[in-house]
Amino acid sequence: KNQVEQSPQSLIILEGKNCTLQCNYTVSPFSNLRWYKQDTGRGPVSLTIMTFSENTKSNGRYTATLDADTKQSSLHITASQLSDSASYICVVSALHTNAGKSTFGDGTTLTVKP
Amino acid sequence: EPEVTQTPSHQVTQMGQEVILRCVPISNHLYFYWYRQILGQKVEFLVSFYNNEISEKSEIFDDQFSVERPDGSNFTLKIRSTKLEDSAMYFCASSSHKNTEAFFGQGTRLTVV
Repeated sequence: KNQVEQSPQSLIILEGKNCTLQCNYTVSPFSNLRWYKQDTGRGPVSLTIMTFSENTKSNGRYTATLDADTKQSSLHITASQLSDSASYICVVSALHTNAGKSTFGDGTTLTVKP
Repeated sequence: EPEVTQTPSHQVTQMGQEVILRCVPISNHLYFYWYRQILGQKVEFLVSFYNNEISEKSEIFDDQFSVERPDGSNFTLKIRSTKLEDSAMYFCASSSHKNTEAFFGQGTRLTVV
């Protein structure tokens, strides 16, 4: 069964600090992995998307890594801001399915405090 | 910047009633999706729609649910005979190709009382 597990479940950091969120998956055959940011009561917003051949991708202060051999990904947030407080969701798609029927993780709830 | 829009933002309905949730996907996108997120839980896939037909659906998407693209712009989710457990945020999303990123709308919060 395809699964995506994220850790930690929640994280509290001080403004300006860095943090790293983890995602392990068992989706096979792998197609791509996406990180989304979801503010409370809002729809998820895409941060990065990576395919099998990519092992790092940046979007501003967000940097995602992918190790397709160990089936792990991380999302690193640099110089955190109060507006980074949100749920970060790892989503993995399998080949031969469309992006919609992807496997979602439970998310990591990040709280950035002043 | 183009975006997916959903209406209404909040819908309250009585148990047993039918509801229709509406979505306008990004105009040049070809793949459309509905998701559900029960409060405090993760996003769950319901259905994907391409070329005027359902391409994939989850176990959640039973006979109570149906989708339609009645014209060139709208994409709707109909829930017949709503139950209390249908209370959730419902997100519509669209993508340009089969395996590219999906852009989500802001969601419709459905409350069944």
